[in-house]
Amino acid sequence: SQTIHQWPATLVQPVGSPLSLECTVEGTSNPNLYWYRQAAGRGLQLLFYSVGIGQISSEVPQNLSASRPQDRQFILSSKKLLLSDSGFYLCAWIGNTGELFFGEGSRLTVL
Amino acid sequence: AQSVTQPDIHITVSEGASLELRCNYSYGATPYLFWYVQSPGQGLQLLLKYFSGDTLVQGIKGFEAEFKRSQSSFNLRKPSVHWSDAAEYFCASTGGGNKLTFGTGTQLKVEL
Repeated sequence: SQTIHQWPATLVQPVGSPLSLECTVEGTSNPNLYWYRQAAGRGLQLLFYSVGIGQISSEVPQNLSASRPQDRQFILSSKKLLLSDSGFYLCAWIGNTGELFFGEGSRLTVL
Repeated sequence: AQSVTQPDIHITVSEGASLELRCNYSYGATPYLFWYVQSPGQGLQLLLKYFSGDTLVQGIKGFEAEFKRSQSSFNLRKPSVHWSDAAEYFCASTGGGNKLTFGTGTQLKVEL
């Protein structure tokens, strides 16, 4: 069966420091992968999605970037974090019938 | 542009009472519609989905939702709420493409 994992689960970083959140999917090939951010009271905002290795689409301009170095790996990065980057980051892959399957999430606090 | 509206930010119900969470979508054709539930600090779990056919769909944990094209709605219901249902609920839609649009969520509190 398919599984999706994110790490780290929790991260506290100072403003201006770099960021790397990782997402790995197992049990499926060539999945469409997504990064969402969830800020308090604002629902889920789609940040990036990827349909394959090296293919990244950005949904909103921001301080973040994404990469897909392997079929099953999706990485969210930043060179210099801002306070506004704090939030709950969710990785997901899309099933055959259009539903998203989410990882456990990564809580980022920027101080 | 496609959008999903959940007009209720917070809802409080008593355990054993019925529940209805509202969701309205904006899309020209019939979208694919979903309800997700999120417990604190966790990822989202799919409760149910609608693509076509019977407009009343059954999901996990005793939830159901009804698609009403005339009202552009996909409301989530449960006849009798349990304390463990306290969580945040998200409605989402897609026009059949690869991107889901989510509502802002409804926080459900269950009073014992």
